[in-house]
Amino acid sequence: GDSVIQMQGQVTLSENDFLFINCTYSTTGYPTLFWYVQYSGEGPQLLLQVTTANNKGSSRGFEATYDKGTTSFHLQKTSVQEIDSAVYYCAMRETNTGKLTFGDGTVLTVKP
Amino acid sequence: GGIITQTPKFLIGQEGQKLTLKCQQNFNHDTMYWYRQDSGKGLRLIYYSITENDLQKGDLSEGYDASREKKSSFSLTVTSAQKNEMAVFLCASSTPDWWDTQYFGPGTRLLVL
Repeated sequence: GDSVIQMQGQVTLSENDFLFINCTYSTTGYPTLFWYVQYSGEGPQLLLQVTTANNKGSSRGFEATYDKGTTSFHLQKTSVQEIDSAVYYCAMRETNTGKLTFGDGTVLTVKP
Repeated sequence: GGIITQTPKFLIGQEGQKLTLKCQQNFNHDTMYWYRQDSGKGLRLIYYSITENDLQKGDLSEGYDASREKKSSFSLTVTSAQKNEMAVFLCASSTPDWWDTQYFGPGTRLLVL
């Protein structure tokens, strides 16, 4: 069945460190891929999305490339800040149904 | 812009109790969703509604009922709360277009004693 895998449950960094969060997906067809961010006490909000394979999405200094060859959509940021501390979810939208499938989330803690 | 409001923010219940969570949106979106969020887990879809009076089961519908009373509101009922259950319930809405973004509310935090 369809799935989204985020292996890193927790990531702890210092300010200005490089961020890399793994995300791989499994499905048939050509899904749209997303990263959502959830700050403490709030609901998830869309960070970025990419519809087309081999395209890159970017927002607020974060970027992710839709790599159909490796079925990956890793999230990167060159220099994280304390305000980036949040839970990050990779998600996939099925082509036919529009249904979203989420990964388990990665808790990012950035120390000052 | 718009906003999604979920009430209550915190809900404490007793084992076996029927509990109702409410969601309101002013985006004028047709489609609304209920997700369950457990610690360390992704969001799992409980129910969704494409339009007023429509209901569709998600992957986790057993133990829940839902009601789409009008376009702007979508309720979720836990039919029999399970002891020591703890989760966050998230409401979301979107246009009917399958490519559109889902917008989430802040969640209702449930604790069953």
